[in-house]
Amino acid sequence: EAQVTQNPRYLITVTGKKLTVTCSQNMNHEYMSWYRQDPGLGLRQIYYSMNVEVTDKGDVPEGYKVSRKEKRNFPLILESPSPNQTSLYFCASSFRASFGETQYFGPGTRLLVL
Amino acid sequence: TQLLEQSPQFLSIQEGENLTVYCNSSSVFSSLQWYRQEPGEGPVLLVTVVTGGEVKKLKRLTFQFGDARKDSSLHITAAQPGDTGLYLCAGARGAGSYQLTFGKGTKLSVIP
Repeated sequence: EAQVTQNPRYLITVTGKKLTVTCSQNMNHEYMSWYRQDPGLGLRQIYYSMNVEVTDKGDVPEGYKVSRKEKRNFPLILESPSPNQTSLYFCASSFRASFGETQYFGPGTRLLVL
Repeated sequence: TQLLEQSPQFLSIQEGENLTVYCNSSSVFSSLQWYRQEPGEGPVLLVTVVTGGEVKKLKRLTFQFGDARKDSSLHITAAQPGDTGLYLCAGARGAGSYQLTFGKGTKLSVIP
């Protein structure tokens, strides 16, 4: 089954404790992206990747890191999480970064930083 | 930053009624997409419109892209409880759709 998977789905952590949220897609997609969704603010892009070893900042990259060493994986790293990073995170992928391409979203990771 | 304003923010209607959701911007987008998101899940693409004035129909849903490619609307005819969810519009910036600006969404509740 074609899908985007994220792990963990739920995470409670404390301020300053490094964490990684994994994202994997099995569709051989070139483009992958991370979003956060907050009440009243909607979905905002954190980082995106056009292909392996090619990443760039989205609208809200502060406090986050990403890497794209393999085509299928695009982990989101929070080196020193803070309470303002409490949010619902979505990973998405598409075949390529081109005009009108369909993005497929993962099921989301709900993060609480105490 | 290019902004997409969605209205209304919340909508509660009876089954069988019609409704329209709007997505407006002061900026031009190369394409615009509509997504539907259910609680606990990621957004799912409904449609992509790319040409100014374009109208697309998906069963009881009609999507329209404004002539100037700055606005779009979603019209649902004879709403059903299964239409309940969060509807999001997203505009593609530039020639590629790899950077999307999302509206804040319209939360629709269809009451049986």
